[in-house]
Order: sequence, then structure tokens, then C-alpha cells
Amino acid sequence: EADIYQTPRYLVIGTGKKITLECSQTMGHDKMYWYQQDPGMELHLIHYSYGVNSTEKGDLSSESTVSRIRTEHFPLTLESARPSHTSQYLCASSESRTQGNTIYFGEGSWLTVV
Amino acid sequence: SQQGEEDPQALSIQEGENATMNCSYKTSINNLQWYRQNSGRGLVHLILIRSNEREKHSGRLRVTLDTSKKSSSLLITASRAADTASYFCATRSQAGTALIFGKGTTLSVSS
Repeated sequence: EADIYQTPRYLVIGTGKKITLECSQTMGHDKMYWYQQDPGMELHLIHYSYGVNSTEKGDLSSESTVSRIRTEHFPLTLESARPSHTSQYLCASSESRTQGNTIYFGEGSWLTVV
Repeated sequence: SQQGEEDPQALSIQEGENATMNCSYKTSINNLQWYRQNSGRGLVHLILIRSNEREKHSGRLRVTLDTSKKSSSLLITASRAADTASYFCATRSQAGTALIFGKGTTLSVSS
């Protein structure tokens, strides 16, 4: 059972609003990730972090930003939400020393921008 | 660009039947993993197979890997309604950072 938590699970906001999706893990994992997934579609890596103060952009360009000030916390922020940002955002983590780099996922945050 | 491609995109079977899903990938890999996603939920790791392994079992799951064909298959035996979910293969290249996921196979098991 993975100890990785995302809030909110569901969010409906208006265009232009600033939002932050929270992600916390209690497993002490050094690596954390954000994936974006549209319904019925594949996952796209948008951000990842190898540790505190380390953040990198993923394969899919995203207008969101992330920060990693604490090991357990990896929030994602959209400064000005648009309808095109409507999607599911999945946070995940893994431990570098674990062979295979198995990833543990949170339950996801469904964002709808109207 | 996507690394893995699952086939078929959707699969509908009856309880008790076996379900087979395939995954093809493009580059050399370190390992290949299969994940399961229930509707509207996060992904759960099922099984990992390393590049030097050809077959692996875990309960009702059987995974094969053919690195010469850059393909893998996931077999679920004696399927149950609770197996209804989307199944994704994920690969990590030898120089890769994070896992790259395919588009997934949606499995529907009816009782």
C-alpha cells in the first residue's frame, strides 16, 4: 500500500484562477513525479524531482510549475488556469535505491477549468 | 514520444477466461513494468521484468519479455470481474530518468 496523498481529489475552478495541487508522501522517497492524463489516454510526464531543490521538466510541455522544498512534499501550481488545463494530474514517487525504480502513485487530482 | 504501445486498446471477456495484452516499445530498456489503473484512480504496480529475464509469474499474472522484438505480454489467467481496469506497460531506458507509459489496454470482465 502506497503512502502518497494528493489533494484535492476533485477541483472545478474558473479560468484565470491560480491553483495548487498538493502531493505528499511518507515513504521517504527521493524521487517524485507529476504525470498528466486525459480520460482514457496515456500518461505524460510533466515534472520530476530527484530530491530537495531539484526539479526538471518532463517530456510533455506544461505551463505548470513545481517546487521541492521538503523531501515529502511536491506541489504543482498553475498561475492562471485555462480550460486546456482540464485533466487528471497524478503524483508519484520512487526510491533511487530500489531496483527497477517501481513508482507508487497517488489517487490523482481531477482538475476542471470552466 | 511514447515508448510503449499496448495492444489491443480494449478487451472484453467473460469471467474465467484468460486475458492477454501486448506491449511494444522502441528503445533498449533496463526493465519493463506493468501497472493497473481502476477507473478514476491512480496506478498500481503489478509486476516488473528485467531485460535479462524472459518470463515472470506473480499469482494469476504471467509476463513475458522478448527484447529482440521489443515486446512484452501480460497474461491474466482465470479472470474475475474485479480485474476490470486499464493496464499499462511502462519502460525505463538504460539512460532514462522516469518511467514512460503506453496508452494502455482497457480490460472489461463480465460475470
